[in-house]
Amino acid sequence: DVKVTQSSRYLVKRTGEKVFLECVQDMDHENMFWYRQDPGLGLRLIYFSYDVKMKEKGDIPEGYSVSREKKERFSLILESASTNQTSMYLCASSSFGEGLNTEAFFGQGTRLTVV
Amino acid sequence: AQKITQTQPGMFVQEKEAVTLDCTYDTSDPSYGLFWYKQPSSGEMIFLIYQGSYDQQNATEGRYSLNFQKARKSANLVISASQLGDSAMYFCAMREGEYNFNKFYFGSGTKLNVKP
Repeated sequence: DVKVTQSSRYLVKRTGEKVFLECVQDMDHENMFWYRQDPGLGLRLIYFSYDVKMKEKGDIPEGYSVSREKKERFSLILESASTNQTSMYLCASSSFGEGLNTEAFFGQGTRLTVV
Repeated sequence: AQKITQTQPGMFVQEKEAVTLDCTYDTSDPSYGLFWYKQPSSGEMIFLIYQGSYDQQNATEGRYSLNFQKARKSANLVISASQLGDSAMYFCAMREGEYNFNKFYFGSGTKLNVKP
């Protein structure tokens, strides 16, 4: 059974803290994604990675960075957390090279609250 | 411009009835794929159905079918015989391009409420 695992379901952090959200997939997928989900806005892409150490900005990268040192792990970093980064964060992975019809597999989500 | 537009923030349907969730998309690429996902209150994203831009027939998966109207750029999800367990958020998504199909674009979602 395919699996994308996010390290935490719920996190509460203080303003200004450095926050790490971890995501691991066991499907040997090339692509990994970080999305942010807010009511009425759907899922917005923060960053994605198509290979180890390769990354591209999504639609809302400001205030975030990412790290992909190993193929199975993709980390989202909030350099200095702010209250407007309170949100649900979803990690996803997908294969590359098998065509457009391969879906993205998602983790269970991390609900981050910045106080 | 929005890549994916879902104009129904919330919908109600009676149990056992059919319901259509709307999705329109915007792309100039001739090659693209359209996806629907379900997100129950527990938060996980569940893949439901896929339609390719070159597919001649509308996709079906059990009680889910996709009403694909290419000229109108719409890909509406039809759920037949609604069940209480269908109450969830539903997201339409698109992946475009034959050589740059890394990104998935998502709509804002529709919250479906199935009434007993």
